[in-house]
Amino acid sequence: KQEVTQIPAALSVPEGENLVLNCSFTDSAIYNLQWFRQDPGKGLTSLLLIQSSQREQTSGRLNASLDKSSGRSTLYIAASQPGDSATYLCAVIRETSGSRLTFGEGTQLTVNP
Amino acid sequence: KAGVTQTPRYLIKTRGQQVTLSCSPISGHRSVSWYQQTPGQGLQFLFEYFSETQRNKGNFPGRFSGRQFSNSRSEMNVSTLELGDSALYLCASSSALAGEETQYFGPGTRLLVL
Repeated sequence: KQEVTQIPAALSVPEGENLVLNCSFTDSAIYNLQWFRQDPGKGLTSLLLIQSSQREQTSGRLNASLDKSSGRSTLYIAASQPGDSATYLCAVIRETSGSRLTFGEGTQLTVNP
Repeated sequence: KAGVTQTPRYLIKTRGQQVTLSCSPISGHRSVSWYQQTPGQGLQFLFEYFSETQRNKGNFPGRFSGRQFSNSRSEMNVSTLELGDSALYLCASSSALAGEETQYFGPGTRLLVL
């Protein structure tokens, strides 16, 4: 059974800091890994998708890496801003699970002005 | 291109009633998945439909059911509602069969069972 863990559960940083969110998964037979953000009471916004054959993806101030063999992914946020405050979720798709996402519990990020 | 839409956005029901939620995927997307989000359990997979066929099902009781129409719109139904069914129900759509594409989520339907 695939399990996804995110550390830390919560993080509070001052504006401008660079930060790293961690995600680990137990079954390395994944098809891809996706990072999302969720604002309170809202749906999920896709941030980055990393295919299992890729090592990293970048979008603006965000960079996500994937080490499939060790079951780890990191999301790097550069020069954090108060608008980055949200819950960040990582999710994996197993190779035989169609589009079924298995989510971690999320990291609640607060960026203080 | 319009995003994933879900209706209704908010719903209040009482125990024992049934409810139907609707999801319209992004135009051209044929895969629709449903998730339940609660503070205690996080995001849990309910089921996935592709081209009107249920492809995957999560570990939920039979009170939870769904279907997909020929235009890819999907509905999920919960019968005999329980207090524990109070949650945010999210649907996601993607274009691909094998999950290699980004999944896009709707804003969710918040269900409160009294």
